[in-house]
Amino acid sequence: ETGVTQSPTHLIKTRGQQVTLRCSSQSGHNTVSWYQQALGQGPQFIFQYYREEENGRGNFPPRFSGLQFPNYSSELNVNALELDDSALYLCASSLEGLGNEQFFGPGTRLTVL
Amino acid sequence: AQSVSQHNHHVILSEAASLELGCNYSYGGTVNLFWYVQYPGQHLQLLLKYFSGDPLVKGIKGFEAEFIKSKFSFNLRKPSVQWSDTAEYFCAVTPVTGNQFYFGTGTSLTVIP
Repeated sequence: ETGVTQSPTHLIKTRGQQVTLRCSSQSGHNTVSWYQQALGQGPQFIFQYYREEENGRGNFPPRFSGLQFPNYSSELNVNALELDDSALYLCASSLEGLGNEQFFGPGTRLTVL
Repeated sequence: AQSVSQHNHHVILSEAASLELGCNYSYGGTVNLFWYVQYPGQHLQLLLKYFSGDPLVKGIKGFEAEFIKSKFSFNLRKPSVQWSDTAEYFCAVTPVTGNQFYFGTGTSLTVIP
């Protein structure tokens, strides 16, 4: 059974640029959630995708958007990057929503200069 | 707004000492509760969860947590910690009727051999 994988591992961007982060969910999982974890903080919920539809969103602006594909892999897109977007971005997959155990990937470390 | 508070940011214990990590949440409705753990160099993983029923739940590696509804608390306990319990511990909440997920800021536990 393959776990949750994320790419890239690290990324450096400059303010105003756009970035796409990718996540492959665990086999059989139809729900993917994305989190932003700033240094010394707990993960902050960005949004959840369930069966290719956004199905829950945290307090993040519209420049944070996502996609889920038919194979349940997912992308997180961030437009107009700001310095405060520098963080670890975590992806988690689960079966049938947030009420079940989420399996987390290793994260993508994004640095915005 | 919903929130999760973890009172202890950093805890240092000697092996065999007892552990209790506090967690309080602010949400008036029915919730599912979780404790996740991140061991050094590893992904976040589920330690235990509470959905309903017996408010005392048992998880992996000898951990347990008690849900006290009147206090909006879900404290994590272990009678005797081991060096291998050194990790970051996160309490988390998801409303049963909502599609959001809230993590606390985490507690760093260091166990001294």
